[in-house]
Amino acid sequence: GDSVTQMEGPVTLSEEAFLTINCTYTATGYPSLFWYVQYPGEGLQLLLKATKADDKGSNKGFEATYRKETTSFHLEKGSVQVSDSAVYFCALSLTGANNLFFGTGTRLTVIP
Amino acid sequence: EAQVTQNPRYLITVTGKKLTVTCSQNMNHEYMSWYRQDPGLGLRQIYYSMNVEVTDKGDVPEGYKVSRKEKRNFPLILESPSPNQTSLYFCASSYYGGHEQYFGPGTRLTVT
Repeated sequence: GDSVTQMEGPVTLSEEAFLTINCTYTATGYPSLFWYVQYPGEGLQLLLKATKADDKGSNKGFEATYRKETTSFHLEKGSVQVSDSAVYFCALSLTGANNLFFGTGTRLTVIP
Repeated sequence: EAQVTQNPRYLITVTGKKLTVTCSQNMNHEYMSWYRQDPGLGLRQIYYSMNVEVTDKGDVPEGYKVSRKEKRNFPLILESPSPNQTSLYFCASSYYGGHEQYFGPGTRLTVT
């Protein structure tokens, strides 16, 4: 079935460190891929998305590239800040589907 | 401001006492959905609605009811809550099921 697997957390980094959160997917069709972020005490917000192979989504210094050959959509940021501390969710959807499939989330803590 | 609102934000109740969590969106979205978030399990879909008077079960519908009498509202009803329904609940909406979803701020429910 369709699913998303993302790296286990928690992840703790120092400020200005490089961030990678791995996400791989299994899908029967051609999914759209998303990264959502959940800040403490808040709901999920869309961070970035990509709708077809080789697309790169970017926002707030975060990037992710839709890699069909490796079925991956890894989230990266070159220099994290304390304000990036949050839980990050990878998700996919299929055209005409009734929902999004979410990964289990990765908690990121950035220390000064 | 485009948003999804949920009420209440926090609720502590006792086993068996019926409760309703309200959800409303002001974006004229066709699709609405309820999720629960539990540690280590990510987000799991409870029910969704493709349009007014059209609802369907998600992955974990047992113990929950929903209704969609108006486009903007999608209440979640727990007829007889049990402690295993203690969780963080999110309502979400989008233009259609596979599209990016907009989330409410969450309702933290504790059933004792």
